[in-house]
Amino acid sequence: KAGVTQTPRYLIKTRGQQVTLSCSPISGHRSVSWYQQTPGQGLQFLFEYFSETQRNKGNFPGRFSGRQFSNSRSEMNVSTLELGDSALYLCASSALSGDYNEQFFGPGTRLTVL
Amino acid sequence: AQSVSQHNHHVILSEAASLELGCNYSYGGTVNLFWYVQYPGQHLQLLLKYFSGDPLVKGIKGFEAEFIKSKFSFNLRKPSVQWSDTAEYFCAVTPGGATNKLIFGTGTLLAVQP
Repeated sequence: KAGVTQTPRYLIKTRGQQVTLSCSPISGHRSVSWYQQTPGQGLQFLFEYFSETQRNKGNFPGRFSGRQFSNSRSEMNVSTLELGDSALYLCASSALSGDYNEQFFGPGTRLTVL
Repeated sequence: AQSVSQHNHHVILSEAASLELGCNYSYGGTVNLFWYVQYPGQHLQLLLKYFSGDPLVKGIKGFEAEFIKSKFSFNLRKPSVQWSDTAEYFCAVTPGGATNKLIFGTGTLLAVQP
């Protein structure tokens, strides 16, 4: 089975721009979660989508949004980019949402905001 | 607020030394517990997980962890480390229930000297 794939792998943007990141989960997985990884804050949960519905949301401003399509692929969007948004954005997929679930992580998208 | 603490931020060991990495969480209810590893240049991989049952769980590559409910702890151990264990290790928790929201610790960077 192919693993979780994320595109693009690297991205450079300037302040004020917006960006869209894509995640394709493992085949058959219906849950996709997004995380932000920075040296200062570590790994922080952004949101989770399951069957096209947002199930959970972390403590991030409204500039961060996401969606999930009927084929379980997910996108996250960051509008009005700030320097502090520079991070590795990780996507994780899981078969279900809830107890006894294991999440599989993708390689991440490295976003640099100049 | 739910949180995960990893006491050791940076650990340096010689090959064949024993390893124990501490992890404590603050959440009063049922939890699912995980240890993830991130090797240099690679994505996050699951080392082991605890959902229920035997509190001593064994994972890949000779790692094990013990869940002590009374201490809210889930420490990671390996009797004899190898140079290839050099990586960053993350403890994570999902509060029990219908959620895939992983709450991560700050990570422990392990360097194993040959």
